Amino acid sequence: NAGVMQNPRHLVRRRGQEARLRCSPMKGHSHVYWYRQLPEEGLKFMVYLQKENIIDESGMPKERFSAEFPKEGPSILRIQQVVRGDSAAYFCASSPPEAGNEQFFGPGTRLTVL
Amino acid sequence: GESVGLHLPTLSVQEGDNSIINCAYSNSASDYFIWYKQESGKGPQFIIDIRSNMDKRQGQRVTVLLNKTVKHLSLQIAATQPGDSAVYFCAEKGRGNKLVFGAGTILRVKS
Repeated sequence: NAGVMQNPRHLVRRRGQEARLRCSPMKGHSHVYWYRQLPEEGLKFMVYLQKENIIDESGMPKERFSAEFPKEGPSILRIQQVVRGDSAAYFCASSPPEAGNEQFFGPGTRLTVL
Repeated sequence: GESVGLHLPTLSVQEGDNSIINCAYSNSASDYFIWYKQESGKGPQFIIDIRSNMDKRQGQRVTVLLNKTVKHLSLQIAATQPGDSAVYFCAEKGRGNKLVFGAGTILRVKS
């Protein structure tokens, strides 16, 4: 059973460009979470999604950031018009529908904005 | 423990010794706590969890202690090995499913 997969692992963008980060949850998991980690800090919650629904987006910046988890395909975290402050590691986690507790993390996408 | 700013607390231990990593959590309503290990360039890896109706839980070489009175969580690693070197995060879950992470502690194991 493959773990949580994220791609790309590394992404470089220039200021003003768009960044798209993808997350495929573990097989059988229907809950997806996105977290952001700045250097030498803990992970900060961004958004919690189930298939076709945003459950909690309390950690998402109000502008430029959006997330989706369509019926088919991976979850996407989209950052429009990136700025240098968006440079961070973005981690996706998934959990099964019945437990909703333990979250399994992917390897992360490291976004660098030039 | 907790840290503010860019410098994580560091715990250096000799290989074979026991390690104790501490964490203070903020939300007295949190009902579930997890310890994660994060190696450089990787995602957090689940180590052990504990629910708020327990005060101690043991795994293989690891023990988590929960003191709800003072909102304190600790991770004990027995016979620490070089492969245990990493950053360790505690996380709490309250209402909803989101996890709130602590700042992290660097564990360095000296051979």
